[in-house]
Amino acid sequence: NAGVTQTPKFQVLKTGQSMTLQCAQDMNHNSMYWYRQDPGMGLRLIYYSASEGTTDKGEVPNGYNVSRLNKREFSLRLESAAPSQTSVYFCASVGTGYTFGSGTRLTVV
Amino acid sequence: TQLLEQSPQFLSIQEGENLTVYCNSSSVFSSLQWYRQEPGEGPVLLVTVVTGGEVKKLKRLTFQFGDARKDSSLHITAAQPGDTGLYLCAGTSGTYKYIFGTGTRLKVLA
Repeated sequence: NAGVTQTPKFQVLKTGQSMTLQCAQDMNHNSMYWYRQDPGMGLRLIYYSASEGTTDKGEVPNGYNVSRLNKREFSLRLESAAPSQTSVYFCASVGTGYTFGSGTRLTVV
Repeated sequence: TQLLEQSPQFLSIQEGENLTVYCNSSSVFSSLQWYRQEPGEGPVLLVTVVTGGEVKKLKRLTFQFGDARKDSSLHITAAQPGDTGLYLCAGTSGTYKYIFGTGTRLKVLA
């Protein structure tokens, strides 16, 4: 029962570097989501994909891009990392409720 | 903009005590969910409520959806250290997107 798998678990980037956060689900869910979680701010939606082939902006999309590679995989890319993007990133897919991955803790220095 | 406010933000209690946490909004939700998140992990779904006035029980946890579907509460009876965590409510008005509250951080002391 893997559920939602995120990689990497931890990452440190220098300002201006780029990286891609990977997410895969094995539950055959149509909808997938990327959230960031910051202290006192709760979970904020970055991008979501209601189904394979579609993506839409959430509450805080600036500085990010996404790719829904297939039904299983939904990746999040930071093109030019900034310190404000230091956060914990969660990927989720939705069946009867959200199933979250265990998160990627990203620090941008 | 839909907002979900949770209270209290922090709660520290002794093992065996009862507690209630609240999730409030000025918006109507078609369904509302509660999650628990432990350090280093993603949130885990506890329950979904969809009908105004609905009450659901999960062992020592009791969840209630307000009659007007704008608020919800989570009551824990005889709290245990294993209940420690961040409790999040999340609501939707019927779209693909859920709005999450900022959470209640609960610590149960042995």
